[in-house]
Formats: sequence, structure tokens, C-alpha cells
Amino acid sequence: EAGVAQSPRYKIIEKRQSVAFWCNPISGHATLYWYQQILGQGPKLLIQFQNNGVVDDSQLPKDRFSAERLKGVDSTLKIQPAKLEDSAVYLCASSLIFGLLSYNEQFFGPGTRLTVL
Amino acid sequence: GENVEQHPSTLSVQEGDSAVIKCTYSDSASNYFPWYKQELGKRPQLIIDIRSNVGEKKDQRIAVTLNKTAKHFSLHITETQPEDSAVYFCAASTGWSSGDKLTFGTGTRLAVRP
Repeated sequence: EAGVAQSPRYKIIEKRQSVAFWCNPISGHATLYWYQQILGQGPKLLIQFQNNGVVDDSQLPKDRFSAERLKGVDSTLKIQPAKLEDSAVYLCASSLIFGLLSYNEQFFGPGTRLTVL
Repeated sequence: GENVEQHPSTLSVQEGDSAVIKCTYSDSASNYFPWYKQELGKRPQLIIDIRSNVGEKKDQRIAVTLNKTAKHFSLHITETQPEDSAVYFCAASTGWSSGDKLTFGTGTRLAVRP
């Protein structure tokens, strides 16, 4: 089974520039998550999609971050403009679907390491 | 919202010894507690999980215990091996009511000395 794919793997930009990350979840997974992992910390949820609808974006800094999941498959996360404190690994994860029956494991992608200079 | 604290932040053990990592959570509605292992530069991978209706779960050399009253859960690794060296994250979720959202601890860096 193919895993969660992300690109690019690394990105270096200067502050105030824009950047976009791409995620392709495991085939058939309805739920997609974007996490921010700052060095030395655990992943923090930025946004969660179920198909192409947003379930939770309460921790997304909406003045500079945006995300979309058109057609309910691939997703892009954008930062515009970037700040120094955005330097982190951005992880994408997917799961079958969330619901009443049981908890579904989240599978993580390899992440995109962003450095903002 | 949920807050998960994890201790210790670093742990060094001799190969063959046991390692214990502890986490506490704040939301009494949390009912699912996974543990992830993240090797350097790699993605987090689920190694074991426990649900709130179970007090202990074991899988070969790893086990997790849950104390709902005290709101804490622990990861136990026995007979540690060098390949166990990694960062371990605990997490908690209230399940479907929050979209299966995971709140992670800050991680424990485990080093197993050969």
C-alpha cells in the first residue's frame, strides 16, 4: 500500500516570501490532517479535512496560512507571507474516516522541512 | 482544550534495560491514547495504542498502561535494543466528537546505549 506523499521535502525561503506544500493521502482516505512540528515539540494540528470540507481549523493562523482540498483528494497548504517562526516540519496525515464506530489510525507523510531566513 | 504533558524529555538506558515514558492529559473526555515513534528525519509511526475501556495493552516488548482516574498513561519498553533509539510521542483524542483530533505530547528522546 502506498503511503502518504508530500512535496517538496525541503524548502528554504526568506521571510515575507510565499510557499506552498502538497500532500497526496493514501487512496480511499477521506480524512486529511496538516500538522506543524516545530523542532523539539510534538506535532500541532493546523487543519483537518473530511473529504473536501473543513472539520477543524481552529489552530490555523488564518492571516497567513491557507489550505484547500479540492475534489477531496490532494491538498495544498500555503503560507503567505512567511515569518521566521514558521520554520518547522509540516506533516500531512490521513485516515479512513472519522466516525462513531471506531478510531481510525492516522498515517503520516514524510513531511516538508521549511526554513525561513 | 486538551493538554498533554510528557516526561522525561530525554532518556538514556543501557541495552537490555527497560524504559518508561509517562504522559498526563487534562480532558477527562479523552478516550484514545496512541504512541508514535519518530526516527531522525522520518515520519511518526504508530507503535501501540490503547482505548479508555482497557487498562493495559501489550505487544511483544512494548506495553501501555492507562489510569483514567489519575488521567495518565505510560509506555513501557522492555529489553531495549539500539533500534529502539528514537523520539517517542504520546497523544490523546476525544474521538469522533472532535474529529479524531490528536493532541500530542512534547516527545521523549530515547537513547539506547549498546
